[in-house]
Amino acid sequence: DAGVTQSPTHLIKTRGQHVTLRCSPISGHKSVSWYQQVLGQGPQFIFQYYEKEERGRGNFPDRFSARQFPNYSSELNVNALLLGDSALYLCATARLNGEKLFFGSGTQLSVL
Amino acid sequence: AQSVTQLDSQVPVFEEAPVELRCNYSSSVSVYLFWYVQYPNQGLQLLLKYLSGSTLVKGINGFEAEFNKSQTSFHLRKPSVHISDTAEYFCAVRGNTGGFKTIFGAGTRLFVKA
Repeated sequence: DAGVTQSPTHLIKTRGQHVTLRCSPISGHKSVSWYQQVLGQGPQFIFQYYEKEERGRGNFPDRFSARQFPNYSSELNVNALLLGDSALYLCATARLNGEKLFFGSGTQLSVL
Repeated sequence: AQSVTQLDSQVPVFEEAPVELRCNYSSSVSVYLFWYVQYPNQGLQLLLKYLSGSTLVKGINGFEAEFNKSQTSFHLRKPSVHISDTAEYFCAVRGNTGGFKTIFGAGTRLFVKA
């Protein structure tokens, strides 16, 4: 079975632009979570979606938004990019009531 | 709300020596606890988890952890490390009352020296 896939793997943007990151979950996984990992820190929770509904939101500004599609894939959107948005963005998926998160390899976003 | 504190940012150790990576958590509800490992330029992989039952949990690659409710700790141990264990280790907590929000610590970099 394929693992969690994220695209693109690397992205370079300039301040003020917007970006869309994509995540495809493992087959059968209905929950998708997004995390931001700044270099040298642990992953910070951004959003969690289950059955296409937002179930949790971390302490991030409204410039960050996400959605989940009927096939359970997900997009993370970030508007008006700031230099501080430069980070590794990780997608993690899980089964119904799953305790274990399966992570993708992430999208490395650089904002110049 | 939950939080996680990893008490050591870096742990250098010689190959074949034992190691302990320390983790403390706080929560107003009962929790599930996890240790994840991250190798360079990769996502996180689950090492082990505590859900309920025995407080000593065994994971992959010879790692184990002990849940101590009174001390709110979940320290990770390995009796003999290898060069290949060099990586970043993250302790994580999730409330067991529903939802999938998992909170991660800042990480401990384990550096195994020959």
